[in-house]
Amino acid sequence: EAGVVQSPRYKIIEKKQPVAFWCNPISGHNTLYWYRQNLGQGPELLIRYENEEAVDDSQLPKDRFSAERLKGVDSTLKIQPAELGDSAVYLCASSLDLGTNIQYFGAGTRLSVL
Amino acid sequence: LAKTTQPISMDSYEGQEVNITCSHNNIATNDYITWYQQFPSQGPRFIIQGYKTKVTNEVASLFIPADRKSSTLSLPRVSLSDTAVYYCLVAETGRRALTFGSGTRLQVQP
Repeated sequence: EAGVVQSPRYKIIEKKQPVAFWCNPISGHNTLYWYRQNLGQGPELLIRYENEEAVDDSQLPKDRFSAERLKGVDSTLKIQPAELGDSAVYLCASSLDLGTNIQYFGAGTRLSVL
Repeated sequence: LAKTTQPISMDSYEGQEVNITCSHNNIATNDYITWYQQFPSQGPRFIIQGYKTKVTNEVASLFIPADRKSSTLSLPRVSLSDTAVYYCLVAETGRRALTFGSGTRLQVQP
């Protein structure tokens, strides 16, 4: 069974440019998470979806970040415009059940903003 | 947000048992404690989950005292491949926020 797939693995952009990350969760997983992980720190939750509904986006910087999960499957996270401080690894995870918190993570997208 | 607290780093040798403790004073009544392992350039990987007392699987054991304000991940007979960062994850009372701690960097030496 395929795991969580993310693309691209790496992205280098100049500041003020837009960037988008894509995530395909494990088939049948209704809950999808986007995290940001800075070097040497634990993942920080940005947004959580239950099917196509964003149930927790309190940590998402809404002035420049947006996310969508059309049809409750794939998801896209976008940053526009990117800033130097957005350089980080962006992780996507999915889970069967919101309650037990067993999440399966993708390999992440490493973003470098120059 | 209240944070979980773990030691920043630990060192061990191959074949030893390693115990990593996480403090989570604001754990919600109905929430589980989950531990993850992360290698460089990879996403975290689920290790074990528990609610109370003791849980054991093929790779680790999880000990949770009655007050559930802390938990201890036990790795028996570690090997070099267990060198990684270990995170405990709980949900916080009233918010159901998902907070990874800063993690514990375990270094296993020959």
